[in-house]
Amino acid sequence: AQSVTQLGSHVSVSEGALVLLRCNYSSSVPPYLFWYVQYPNQGLQLLLKYTTGATLVKGINGFEAEFKKSETSFHLTKPSAHMSDAAEYFCAVRTPGGYNKLIFGAGTRLAVHP
Amino acid sequence: GAVVSQHPSWVICKSGTSVKIECRSLDFQATTMFWYRQFPKQSLMLMATSNEGSKATYEQGVEKDKFLINHASLTLSTLTVTSAHPEDSSFYICSARHRGRDTGELFFGEGSRLTVL
Repeated sequence: AQSVTQLGSHVSVSEGALVLLRCNYSSSVPPYLFWYVQYPNQGLQLLLKYTTGATLVKGINGFEAEFKKSETSFHLTKPSAHMSDAAEYFCAVRTPGGYNKLIFGAGTRLAVHP
Repeated sequence: GAVVSQHPSWVICKSGTSVKIECRSLDFQATTMFWYRQFPKQSLMLMATSNEGSKATYEQGVEKDKFLINHASLTLSTLTVTSAHPEDSSFYICSARHRGRDTGELFFGEGSRLTVL
């Protein structure tokens, strides 16, 4: 079975500082990996995804993530945090075959302080 | 493109009543839709997978007679919480797979917050 582990349920950074949100996965086959962001009382918005090809993927709002097969990781980074980045972030892995069922990590709440 | 809309966004109901939540793909056809449930400050838990024209597949531990899912067309899926109780209060989110676009990602609705009194 596939699973996703997000290290750190809460991350706090200063405005302008580096953002690093950690995600590790387990999968018996090459996975598709995703990062979604959720603002309060809203649905999920896709930040970026890795399917095949280049392992460093760039997403919206200046975020990027690197797929490292050897480390089974897909950490999310942003060089400089903005106040508007404060939200809940979810890493997700797609199950192989079938109906694109996504398995989510527990989520990481990012706080950005002045 | 690829917009998914849920209705209602908020609903409050009395214990024992049934509530229907709609999930629509506005600008694409969705062969598969997924229903998730999210408790406060927790992750999304998949409840069921529904395919147009067939019965939904429920995850382990989800009562199919309590959470009725209908996927009657390629753009609409409904979740009905029957005989709702306070413990059913939660944030329900649907997502859809874009027919003909197998990029792996799902498109999510805005969510529906159910409060059962």
